[in-house]
Amino acid sequence: DQQVKQNSPSLSVQEGRISILNCDYTNSMFDYFLWYKKYPAEGPTFLISISSIKDKNEDGRFTVFLNKSAKHLSLHIVPSQPGDSAVYFCAASAWNTGNQFYFGTGTSLTVIP
Amino acid sequence: NAGVTQTPKFRILKIGQSMTLQCTQDMNHNYMYWYRQDPGMGLKLIYYSVGAGITDKGEVPNGYNVSRSTTEDFPLRLELAAPSQTSVYFCATTLDANSPLHFGNGTRLTVT
Repeated sequence: DQQVKQNSPSLSVQEGRISILNCDYTNSMFDYFLWYKKYPAEGPTFLISISSIKDKNEDGRFTVFLNKSAKHLSLHIVPSQPGDSAVYFCAASAWNTGNQFYFGTGTSLTVIP
Repeated sequence: NAGVTQTPKFRILKIGQSMTLQCTQDMNHNYMYWYRQDPGMGLKLIYYSVGAGITDKGEVPNGYNVSRSTTEDFPLRLELAAPSQTSVYFCATTLDANSPLHFGNGTRLTVT
């Protein structure tokens, strides 16, 4: 049972434009959400997080939005750069999931120069 | 400060062989995790530990064992390798459940 879902396996965007990556979850108890970026042959690296008490968090070109009623979060990258081409995973945890982090299946982003 | 170190980087096993995937961290984190990543399937939690001497099963623990005798080390043991265990294995650590996970660079395992 996939508790965190990324329904778009891939996304292509022109350099300079906005990239929007989406993530849905089913467990209403999730209270901490994260986005990771992964290059081939490397481990995932942390990008940005948000707690359930907020609906938006920004860090430079990256912004995460959380819509708790829709159980949906999104990552916006503005402006997109070729170096952003990677696989992006969303993840979530809850105080009652025994310290476990649940991951989505990933979205492969390609930024076209 | 190496962070999270996984060894080996690559390994090929025959069916029925055993091996231990090593994970060491120098971040002094109490929480450690083992994930596997299969193509198109995201990251699945195998086992995790919230401190030395404490381990718990994740979503896909069958066929694996772990131990946590020190804060720094969290080895993952495969006793009887099966083709279904062909995957990329990632070790991760965090300070607590409300802090980001820090990942190693993975071990790519093939069982033939």
